[in-house]
Amino acid sequence: DGGITQSPKYLFRKEGQNVTLSCEQNLNHDAMYWYRQDPGQGLRLIYYSQIVNDFQKGDIAEGYSVSREKKESFPLTVTSAQKNPTAFYLCASSIIRAGRNEQFFGPGTRLTVL
Amino acid sequence: DQQVKQNSPSLSVQEGRISILNCDYTNSMFDYFLWYKKYPAEGPTFLISISSIKDKNEDGRFTVFLNKSAKHLSLHIVPSQPGDSAVYFCAASADSGNTPLVFGKGTRLSVIA
Repeated sequence: DGGITQSPKYLFRKEGQNVTLSCEQNLNHDAMYWYRQDPGQGLRLIYYSQIVNDFQKGDIAEGYSVSREKKESFPLTVTSAQKNPTAFYLCASSIIRAGRNEQFFGPGTRLTVL
Repeated sequence: DQQVKQNSPSLSVQEGRISILNCDYTNSMFDYFLWYKKYPAEGPTFLISISSIKDKNEDGRFTVFLNKSAKHLSLHIVPSQPGDSAVYFCAASADSGNTPLVFGKGTRLSVIA
């Protein structure tokens, strides 16, 4: 059963703590992405990676870090430097091919900072 | 500056009627456009897409129209069903899809039985 998994579904952390959100895909997709969704907002791009061991900052990368050591995995760390981390985080992946770029999304992780 | 705009935050439609969701964009480099549907606390699901070389793409009850000169696209759902009630996001990409998608803020569609 191919797809994208994100864990955990809900995550609570204390202010000042770093936390890592997991994202795994078995679709053999080249590219992976992290988005953040806030109420009334669209999806804002945090980081993306088109190849292993390489990643690019998105529009709101400050306070976040990522790694892409394996094609299947793209974990996101929310650091204590992120001023407003409470949000719904979505991971996505896609094949890189000219003319098409449908991204497939995981179920999301809701992070709440207490 | 928002490059993809969905100016209607919400839309209510009677079951069986047509739903029309609109999207405008400002970046003339965008050449690939997509619509996603999202339920609360879930990831978006891909609905339909269109390349800039076309002006219409149809998939069952869903049709997307693209007007490049107006930098405008729309999603038509006919007939609308209660299960269509969700938030719909418009997204765009440049360079034939090799750049990350840029999303609008979404339109919440409510289909009333």
